[in-house]
Amino acid sequence: DSGVTQTPKHLITATGQRVTLRCSPRSGDLSVYWYQQSLDQGLQFLIQYYNGEERAKGNILERFSAQQFPDLHSELNLSSLELGDSALYFCASSVLQGATEAFFGQGTRLTVV
Amino acid sequence: GDSVTQMEGPVTLSEEAFLTINCTYTATGYPSLFWYVQYPGEGLQLLLKATKADDKGSNKGFEATYRKETTSFHLEKGSVQVSDSAVYFCALALYNTDKLIFGTGTRLQVFP
Repeated sequence: DSGVTQTPKHLITATGQRVTLRCSPRSGDLSVYWYQQSLDQGLQFLIQYYNGEERAKGNILERFSAQQFPDLHSELNLSSLELGDSALYFCASSVLQGATEAFFGQGTRLTVV
Repeated sequence: GDSVTQMEGPVTLSEEAFLTINCTYTATGYPSLFWYVQYPGEGLQLLLKATKADDKGSNKGFEATYRKETTSFHLEKGSVQVSDSAVYFCALALYNTDKLIFGTGTRLQVFP
C-alpha cells in the first residue's frame, strides 16, 4: 500500500459527460501529480500541484482541469469526454517539489462509451 | 526533447533465468534515473533509482547502473521468479523539474 488513495477505482460514462477523479496523497506529501496511462500513448504526465498551486503542466487537454485543496487532496476534472479519453488515470504524491520519489495510487480506470 | 526508450515486450522467461531489460535515455541535463514496476491491477512502485553517473541502484535482486557514456540504465536480475511478472517502466527526472518522463513499459512474463 503506497498510502495514496484514488477514488473511484472504476468509472463508466458516456461521451460528452463530465467526471471528477479524486486523489488523497500520502500523509505529509505536498506534491500531487496526475498521469494518464493508455495503450497507445503509454504513461503521460498531465499536471502537478504543490501545496495548492499548479507547479507543472504536461500533455493535459483543455477539456481537463485539476486543483489541489487546502487539505492537499486533489481532483482531476474531465469534461466533454470522448472515447479516446478511456484510460487509467494515476495520481502520485511526493514530499517535495521534484518527483524524485513519487508514490502512486492504484489508479482510476475510466471507460467512455 | 527529453525521452526514455525501452525494449519492447513481452519478455518471456523461465524461472531462474537471467533478465535484462534495456533502457536508454535522451536528456538535456543530468537526470536521475528510475525503474518502476507495475504489478497486475496495481499502481506503479519505485523499484530502484540512481541519481548520478556510475551509481548502481539495487532492490529485491534487481540492479541497474547509470551509464552516462552510453546514456543507458539497463535493468538486470540474475534469477527471476514467477512473482516478478509485471510491467517495468524506466523513467527519468531532470534536476529541479517536477515530472517523471516514462518509457513505454516492458511486460515481463516468467513461467515455472
